[in-house]
Order: sequence, then structure tokens, then C-alpha cells
Amino acid sequence: NAGVTQTPKFQVLKTGQSMTLQCAQDMNHEYMSWYRQDPGMGLRLIHYSVGAGITDQGEVPNGYNVSRSTTEDFPLRLLSAAPSQTSVYFCASSYLQGHTEAFFGQGTRLTVV
Amino acid sequence: SQQGEEDPQALSIQEGENATMNCSYKTSINNLQWYRQNSGRGLVHLILIRSNEREKHSGRLRVTLDTSKKSSSLLITASRAADTASYFCATAPNTGANSKLTFGKGITLSVRP
Repeated sequence: NAGVTQTPKFQVLKTGQSMTLQCAQDMNHEYMSWYRQDPGMGLRLIHYSVGAGITDQGEVPNGYNVSRSTTEDFPLRLLSAAPSQTSVYFCASSYLQGHTEAFFGQGTRLTVV
Repeated sequence: SQQGEEDPQALSIQEGENATMNCSYKTSINNLQWYRQNSGRGLVHLILIRSNEREKHSGRLRVTLDTSKKSSSLLITASRAADTASYFCATAPNTGANSKLTFGKGITLSVRP
């Protein structure tokens, strides 16, 4: 049972490049979410999904896109990377968001130069 | 915006001592959760306490919740060097089936051997 798997673990992008951060979970959780973690800021919600085909914006959605075609996968796309998107990104899943524990991936450390 | 605010921001104690961390929040909640993050890793769920509970234990962890003061505390007894990590409180508002978790900025705990 792998839990929540994120790839890649590290990535360096040039300003303006695009990329997709992958997230997969094998716990059959309906709820998945993406957070970014910046020093002194805690975790901030980017986008979330309550089930396949349903996504919604979180606190800091600008510059990011998501889709949820299957229960297992929830990729995060950076459309045109900016230095302000340098951060550590975490994917999380839970059976019933807010009412049960959230399981986190190991994170993707992204640097935009 | 952060709902939970942890206090203190940093705590340094000797191995064997108890560590007490506090979290305050602003709005009505369904539950409050505590997470631990080791350096360079994802968050790991520690304990969830519901709004109708006042105290909960899990091993060396004791969590209290005072909804009248909108505050919670996490006590780690007989601390170990392995407890060195960042600790986050997360709140889920009372808004229905899927409530977005909002994290605080975290407390850095250092346990000196």
C-alpha cells in the first residue's frame, strides 16, 4: 500500500516553462488536494477535488490548473512558471475531507529560475 | 488565510521534558487536527479531536480542545530526540460533508539529546 505518491521529488524550471506535477493515491479516496508550502506561510490550498470530474479552487489557484479524470490521479499543471511559484508542493488525499485524517505525499521541491 | 495560529513559533527542550504547543482559531469548527512534519518530508497525521470532545490521548500525545476559547493544545510527554519536527494544527469548519482543512504556520520543536 503506497499511499500518496508524488513525482518528481525535485524539479528546476526556467521562467515561462510549463510542467505537470503528478499525484496518485491507492486508497480509493474521493477527496484530493494540492498545497504549497513556503517558509513562514504554512500550507496554502491551491486546488482540490471532491471526486472524479469535479475540481475547485483553493486559496491560491492563480497560475495552476488541475483535472481529475480518475479517482486515483490528480495532476497539477503549471502553465507558465514564474519565480513566485518556487515552493514545495504537497498532494493530499482523504476519505472524507475535513472529517477524517489527510494523507500527504512526500512533496515536490520546485525551483523556478 | 490561516485559520489556526500556533504558539509558540519555536520551542527547544531537553530530552525527557514535556512539550506543550498551542493553537488558536477564529471560526466554528467541526474538528481540529494535529500533524507532524519531519525535515524534508510530508505531513503525517497525529490526532483528530472533534468539536464535542474535550481531550484525547494517543500514546505520548495528549490533545485538548476548548471551543469556548477557540483553542487547542498538544502535549508531548517524555520527549525524545526523534520528536524534533514541525507541528501543525489544522481546522475543518462546520460546513458540511467536505470541509476544507486550513493549516496554521507551524511550530518548530527541537528536542536536545
